[in-house]
Amino acid sequence: AQRVTQPEKLLSVFKGAPVELKCNYSYSGSPELFWYVQYSRQRLQLLLRHISRESIKGFTADLNKGETSFHLKKPFAQEEDSAMYYCALSTPSVSGSRLTFGEGTQLTVNP
Amino acid sequence: SQTIHQWPATLVQPVGSPLSLECTVEGTSNPNLYWYRQAAGRGLQLLFYSVGIGQISSEVPQNLSASRPQDRQFILSSKKLLLSDSGFYLCAWSGPKLVGQQGYQETQYFGPGTRLLVL
Repeated sequence: AQRVTQPEKLLSVFKGAPVELKCNYSYSGSPELFWYVQYSRQRLQLLLRHISRESIKGFTADLNKGETSFHLKKPFAQEEDSAMYYCALSTPSVSGSRLTFGEGTQLTVNP
Repeated sequence: SQTIHQWPATLVQPVGSPLSLECTVEGTSNPNLYWYRQAAGRGLQLLFYSVGIGQISSEVPQNLSASRPQDRQFILSSKKLLLSDSGFYLCAWSGPKLVGQQGYQETQYFGPGTRLLVL
């Protein structure tokens, strides 16, 4: 069965410092991975997906199949990056996608 | 554009009482619909998903049930709430899989959530 692990429940960095939120997955098929973010008092929303290979709000994430990881990185954290971040694995099915989420990492960027 | 609504936003219910949470989607047809529960320290757990009216798949055995009486309406229910049903419930939608489409991995869009406290 598929599984997503985010080893850090809390992560605190200072503004301008690099940040990396770790995500590891377990899945026998070809993975499709996402990062979702939930800012304070806002809805859970998609941040980025690995297939797009894009940078959103300065964040990037590279799929490493050898290490089964999809870590989220940003070279210079900003205070507005403080939020709850969820890594998610999408597994295709006959009828639709199903997301398996990690437990989330609460990122705090201090001034 | 598509929007997703959930209500109520918060709910406090006594143990043993019934529950009905509603989710509606606008601006799309035949969406896939999902109910998740977000419990403290446990991430998001998929409870139910639906690919069409009257079609419900349950992911985990529990005290809850789901129904889809209309194309864009998804309801989460319980006949008798337990203390362990407390949590934050999220509804989400994604686009439907197209006929003949190989594989399917579509972005999911989430509602604002309902915070349920069972006392």
